[in-house]
Amino acid sequence: EVQLVESGGASLQSGRSLRISCEVSGFTFDKFAMHWVRQAPGKGLEWVSGISWKNTLGYADSVKGRFTISRDNAKNSLFLQMNSLRPEDTGLYYCAKDRYPIVSVPDAWGQGTLVTVSS
Amino acid sequence: QSVLTQPPSVSAAPGQKVTISCSGSSSNMRSNYVSWYQQVPGAAPRLLIYDDDKRPSGIPDRFSGSKSGTSATLAITGLQTGDEADYYCGTWDASLSVGVFGGGTKLTVL
Repeated sequence: EVQLVESGGASLQSGRSLRISCEVSGFTFDKFAMHWVRQAPGKGLEWVSGISWKNTLGYADSVKGRFTISRDNAKNSLFLQMNSLRPEDTGLYYCAKDRYPIVSVPDAWGQGTLVTVSS
Repeated sequence: QSVLTQPPSVSAAPGQKVTISCSGSSSNMRSNYVSWYQQVPGAAPRLLIYDDDKRPSGIPDRFSGSKSGTSATLAITGLQTGDEADYYCGTWDASLSVGVFGGGTKLTVL
């Protein structure tokens, strides 16, 4: 069974940094692309970042230059380093597995970790 | 403003059929596969349809997807009260090199 478990969410002030993590199991992690998708309270889904099996990276314009996605295949883990956080970064951050090795769209999703940024 | 356009809400009676549209452009919808997700309040999204029209194992055949040009459609037949949820379409935009989602459609089963 595919499982994705996010952690590291927190409440913090604007301008601070935070690193969230996702530990996965139930599939061969290094064979698939991975995503971070966020959802602001009461709003829709917003794609944040993706990383291919070969570490090709992609970012939404809203986070480019502030967020960095990475993966540790030895630890079956995905990370998102978030710097210069803003109130509009507030939301539930989902880790998601792609169906393919290159970044396309999410397949399976974790339960999310909450990031709250106050001004 | 979402890159993909969905109606904000749809409704139908139990047992009926409903369709949800998703409109994009040549750089996303026409050139890449579309997925559909169901999100029940308080839960994570769940994949319903991938590669335009394929169902993952465990998804009932009441759910079907189709695509033509720059538009995709999710159809749900034999509506049940448990189908009440938000539905999202998603794809990759090759021009922007980003993932894109529709704004979501709230399904109400009357």
